[in-house]
Amino acid sequence: EAGVTQFPSHSVIEKGQTVTLRCDPISGHDNLYWYRRVMGKEIKFLLHFVKESKQDESGMPNNRFLAERTGGTYSTLKVQPAELEDSGVYFCASSPINTGELFFGEGSRLTVL
Amino acid sequence: GQQVMQIPQYQHVQEGEDFTTYCNSSTTLSNIQWYKQRPGGHPVFLIQLVKSGEVKKQKRLTFQFGEAKKNSSLHITATQTTDVGTYFCAGLFISNFGNEKLTFGTGTRLTIIP
Repeated sequence: EAGVTQFPSHSVIEKGQTVTLRCDPISGHDNLYWYRRVMGKEIKFLLHFVKESKQDESGMPNNRFLAERTGGTYSTLKVQPAELEDSGVYFCASSPINTGELFFGEGSRLTVL
Repeated sequence: GQQVMQIPQYQHVQEGEDFTTYCNSSTTLSNIQWYKQRPGGHPVFLIQLVKSGEVKKQKRLTFQFGEAKKNSSLHITATQTTDVGTYFCAGLFISNFGNEKLTFGTGTRLTIIP
């Protein structure tokens, strides 16, 4: 069974540019989460989808971040325009409904210059 | 908002010594999970504790959940080089609206001196 996959693994962009990160969860997992880890600090919650609906987006830093989950399958996280403080590793995780364990992807490392 | 703090932030131990990391929440948790992230890797689920006072063991790892469900600990006996990584606790909070949010602790980075 394929795990959670994320693309790209690493993206280097200039301040003001746009980047879109993609996450393909494990097939059948209705829960999809985005987290961010900055400079080796804590893993910070961004938002949570249940199928295609945003269950909780309280962790989204500001309106430069837009997350979508088309048809309840894969998800994208767009940062536009990117700022220096957006640099970090963006993790996607998925889980089935009513289970605790999160399955994490390898992460997308974003570097904003 | 909900906060989950972990101490220590860093721990360097000689191979064979024990290691403990502690996790504290500002509010009562529904459950707590532990994850391990190897250097350059992604978090990998270790265990989930649900009941007050629960203790679970996985070989050399012992996990505890406090009686008040606000704190937890992970203890590794006789560390090995394969234990290197950052250990995160993650507390599950349930809001007044019934939403569940898994909030990660600040992590404890373990390095082993061979």
